[in-house]
Amino acid sequence: EMQLVQSGTEVKRPGESLRISCNTSGYIFDEYWINWVRQMPGKGLEWMGIIYPGDSDARYSPAFRGQVTFSVDKSLSAAYLQWSSLKASDTAMYFCARVPTPRDTFDLWGQGTPVIVSS
Amino acid sequence: EIVLTQSPATLSVSPGERATLSCRASQNVGTSLAWFQEKPGQAPRLLISGASTRATGISTRFSGSGSGTQFTLTISSLKSDDFAVYHCHQYYDWPLWTFGQGTKVEV
Repeated sequence: EMQLVQSGTEVKRPGESLRISCNTSGYIFDEYWINWVRQMPGKGLEWMGIIYPGDSDARYSPAFRGQVTFSVDKSLSAAYLQWSSLKASDTAMYFCARVPTPRDTFDLWGQGTPVIVSS
Repeated sequence: EIVLTQSPATLSVSPGERATLSCRASQNVGTSLAWFQEKPGQAPRLLISGASTRATGISTRFSGSGSGTQFTLTISSLKSDDFAVYHCHQYYDWPLWTFGQGTKVEV
């Protein structure tokens, strides 16, 4: 069964760093791009950007460029979303989702990782 | 950036009725428009891609139509399992993909 399984809830303080994961299984990791999508409390979905596991080519939405970093570990078939210094405004649910190519839409999603940033 | 405007924000319907959801794009997106269903605590689920193609395993009660800037998701004969939030997504403008703000379908 093809799955994207995300890491669990994170509670952090402002200024702390964080890396959350999206662990994939049931398909060839290199054959799909991985996207990250944010959903702030009570709000809609926001596309953050995309990374290609084959060569780690990453594209960021302008709103998120410089704020987060995408990475992958091909040996683990996992993708990561990382912050170096969290803000309270980063409190949100974060989803990973895959696409076959940048001309396709998301065909499989992770269950989401809640991130809470509070002092 | 292409802005997607969904209407209405909330749609109140009864089981068995038809629901019609709208998604309007600020610029032409061709048929690169998808619809997703979201329920609390669950991963969003792809319903429709290419504006009108049902995803694998999706009931024929869900249908999508439109092209260019105006799109519609129709849910015929609503079941209790259909009450959820529905999002549209354009994947025409790479790499500036965007979502609508969502429509909540409630009883």
